[in-house]
Amino acid sequence: AQSVAQPEDQVNVAEGNPLTVKCTYSVSGNPYLFWYVQYPNRGLQFLLKYITGDNLVKGSYGFEAEFNKSQTSFHLKKPSALVSDSALYFCAVRDGTGRRALTFGSGTRLQVQP
Amino acid sequence: DAGVIQSPRHEVTEMGQEVTLRCKPISGHNSLFWYRQTMMRGLELLIYFNNNVPIDDSGMPEDRFSAKMPNASFSTLKIQPSEPRDSAVYFCASSEGGAYTGELFFGEGSRLTVL
Repeated sequence: AQSVAQPEDQVNVAEGNPLTVKCTYSVSGNPYLFWYVQYPNRGLQFLLKYITGDNLVKGSYGFEAEFNKSQTSFHLKKPSALVSDSALYFCAVRDGTGRRALTFGSGTRLQVQP
Repeated sequence: DAGVIQSPRHEVTEMGQEVTLRCKPISGHNSLFWYRQTMMRGLELLIYFNNNVPIDDSGMPEDRFSAKMPNASFSTLKIQPSEPRDSAVYFCASSEGGAYTGELFFGEGSRLTVL
């Protein structure tokens, strides 16, 4: 089975400050990890992914994520938050076989205050 | 490209009625996914097609739900009969290369309310 945990329902950060949204995963074999963002009344949008290679992955809108195999984590980060980053963020995982579709976490609401 | 197109965007119906949700994937994408989003259960995979063939339907709640993909450019999700607990936002997503890439392109969703 594959699963994702996002321990925080909401993260609050002031504009200009760094942000971190946490994600841990469980999967058989090598993980394929993803972050998606959802704005109100919209579908999810792909932000970034880790398949293999460098543990620090850079994605859209200045976001990056760090893969940590020993801690089975894939936290989303941004050096300087913007008010427009306020949205719902989903971490997702699948195993390396490609036969299973993505399993999404429960989502973390990011609120960036001006 | 217009992206993944879903219809209707909003549907309000009464318990017992049949509901059909429609999806047009991005041209050239060979995988299509139906997800359901609720506050209580989050985002759940219902079914996944690859090259129009259902690959994983283990998430389909029960026999009241059925999904078809008659061709590469169209899919339907049908609920018959509908129940209040089916109220949710239903998302269709497509990708190229099967489930492999993980880069899903989502539609705007169909918000279903069953009274």
